[in-house]
Amino acid sequence: EVQPVESGGGLVQPGGSLRLSCAASGFMFSSYWMSWVRQAPGKGLEWVAITNQDGSETYYVDSVKGRFTISSDNAKNSLYLQMNSLRAEDTAVYYCARGTNCCRGQGTLVTVSS
Amino acid sequence: DVVMTQSPLSLPVTLGQPASISCRSSESLVFSDGNTYLNWFHQRPGQSPRRLIYRVSNRDSGVPDRFSGSGSGTDFTLKISRVEAEDVGIYYCMQSRHWPWTFGQGTKVEIK
Repeated sequence: EVQPVESGGGLVQPGGSLRLSCAASGFMFSSYWMSWVRQAPGKGLEWVAITNQDGSETYYVDSVKGRFTISSDNAKNSLYLQMNSLRAEDTAVYYCARGTNCCRGQGTLVTVSS
Repeated sequence: DVVMTQSPLSLPVTLGQPASISCRSSESLVFSDGNTYLNWFHQRPGQSPRRLIYRVSNRDSGVPDRFSGSGSGTDFTLKISRVEAEDVGIYYCMQSRHWPWTFGQGTKVEIK
């Protein structure tokens, strides 16, 4: 199994938007629940959002509900996180995860600051 | 949300000696399928976290057999039989029984 590659992070102003991507290979994307996990600088880990195999079920941690949207494209073996109305407290490294098997990639850093 | 409480939060250890970390959940982690959804992660300094153990006691591929997990219901333990230098870092327990999945605060393991 090849490590996932997260991308799309960067510096954004409060209230702005970003779309994160996770490209994975070596397994059937459509066979797993996929999710995003984040780690703020110097802090612990937080499971942010999760989607089932066909996208019919999604769950979010309360702090991102209504602002973040998780989605996947099984044909492209890719996972996405659309992040809107970003806040300073969303600053973190974001990892994608297959099931509970986090965080095999390097993650992508999101910095929300003016 | 399910609260995961780890102890101790700091664990100085001697190389070659055993170490043990406790994790307690505020709700049972047993699912109707009979499985218990408790996982352990390790994060070395400057690196991404890695899962060590899933469903209480199943080691991930490549994890040395000096690591073992045990427990049931709401009380769990991660044991290292003989600590090696590469074992330093922060260990997190994490429950995947109830959404949102939640982590413990982390236990920092360092060499004395």
